[in-house]
Amino acid sequence: EIVLTQSPATLSVSPGERATLSCRASQSVISNLAWYQQKPGQAPRLLIYGASTRASGIPARFSGSGSGTEFTLSIGSLQSEDFAVYYCQQYNNWPPVFGGGTKVEIK
Amino acid sequence: QVRLVESGGGVVQPGRSLRLSCAASGFGFSYYDMLWVRQAPGKGLEWVALISFDGGNKYYAESVKGRFTISRDNSENTLSLQMDSLRAEDTAVYYCAKPPGRVNYFDSWGQGALVTVSS
Repeated sequence: EIVLTQSPATLSVSPGERATLSCRASQSVISNLAWYQQKPGQAPRLLIYGASTRASGIPARFSGSGSGTEFTLSIGSLQSEDFAVYYCQQYNNWPPVFGGGTKVEIK
Repeated sequence: QVRLVESGGGVVQPGRSLRLSCAASGFGFSYYDMLWVRQAPGKGLEWVALISFDGGNKYYAESVKGRFTISRDNSENTLSLQMDSLRAEDTAVYYCAKPPGRVNYFDSWGQGALVTVSS
């Protein structure tokens, strides 16, 4: 089973700054990686699939990059609504494993 | 639009059973595989079970294999999760989720149902 390691566990960022989140896979998942945002008390929301394609309705300040085993989610100019937990998920191999999450908090 | 609504959560004693349901609307339910994902309090996301669009194939996480049963009724647009021999570690919010097609990432999620296993 593929293991996804997200770093850092917590990221403290000031509003308006850029945030960069990392997801590392234990083996290549090619570009079959998704990112989700989850706010307290809410279900996860799909942000990115195919490592870099924004899902419908997702603002352009969210961007994904990477392939193979190293992936990055960047959030440009953080807005108040962006403070949340972010999860990566691979879907190249069975089962569909999630990373442990990165909490983006207000600095 | 796509809507997934879970029901059936609650407090149950260890060793007892509980059945979750997910009512789907706004899309062709019978054409999509469906998934249950859970999230223990303060923890990350864990896939639990997946069922193919026609119910012919079912997959389970090792942590629930032999205790949980996923099923669907395509005539009623309903997904179910029968949970038997519940343990304290099964305490979590359970989400049903839908992929956009023949891929295993998930573009629609329900609001979740809380299951608490406690004596």
